[in-house]
Amino acid sequence: EIVLTQSPGTLSLSPGERATLSCRASQSVSGGYLAWYQQKPGQTPRLLVYGASRRAAGIPDRFSGSGSGTDFTLTISRLEPEDFAVYYCQVYGSSPLTFGGGIKVESK
Amino acid sequence: EVHLVQSGGGLVQPGGSLRLSCAASGFTFNNYALNWVRQAPGEGLEWVATINGGGFGTYYADSVKGRFTISRDNSNHTLHLQMNSLRAEDTALYYCAKAAAWFGELLWFDSWGQGTPVTVSS
Repeated sequence: EIVLTQSPGTLSLSPGERATLSCRASQSVSGGYLAWYQQKPGQTPRLLVYGASRRAAGIPDRFSGSGSGTDFTLTISRLEPEDFAVYYCQVYGSSPLTFGGGIKVESK
Repeated sequence: EVHLVQSGGGLVQPGGSLRLSCAASGFTFNNYALNWVRQAPGEGLEWVATINGGGFGTYYADSVKGRFTISRDNSNHTLHLQMNSLRAEDTALYYCAKAAAWFGELLWFDSWGQGTPVTVSS
């Protein structure tokens, strides 16, 4: 089982700032099979990125994913008010599918 | 447009059973794997189970293996989760989720149901 560790637990930033979210895997993620989701309070998760760096349909280009092996990053280039939320990474391609514990991006 | 509409859930005593359903529309149902993902109150996301498009391949998290059964009715475009021997730690909001690509089984998710709460308590 691949364990995903997300850091930091909480990011306190202001609108317009850059957010860098880390997701570290306990073993190498083959094929870059890593996705990122955004979840706002009371809402369902929203797919942002898959294949480590491929933006999902309709996702603004201020969101970008990168990384390979065991280290992956989601970057939000300039935070908009609607970006304050919890972000999860997920590994796929084999069982069990696993999620990271989440990173809360809050407004400073 | 993809729609996943969930039903079922509720309050059940420890050791009891419950069945969740997820009615799907807006895509070629039997071409896509479907999943159940849960979220305990105030916690993160936890994958529960996956079933492939044909319904003959299933995968489970260790935490539910032997107690939960995922199934699908490709004629009626419906996904089910039969939950038996429920425990307090199964208390969560349960989501059905569609795999994002028609190929493969254990994938990422591009569409989610609205979630249905399950509470296991005496």
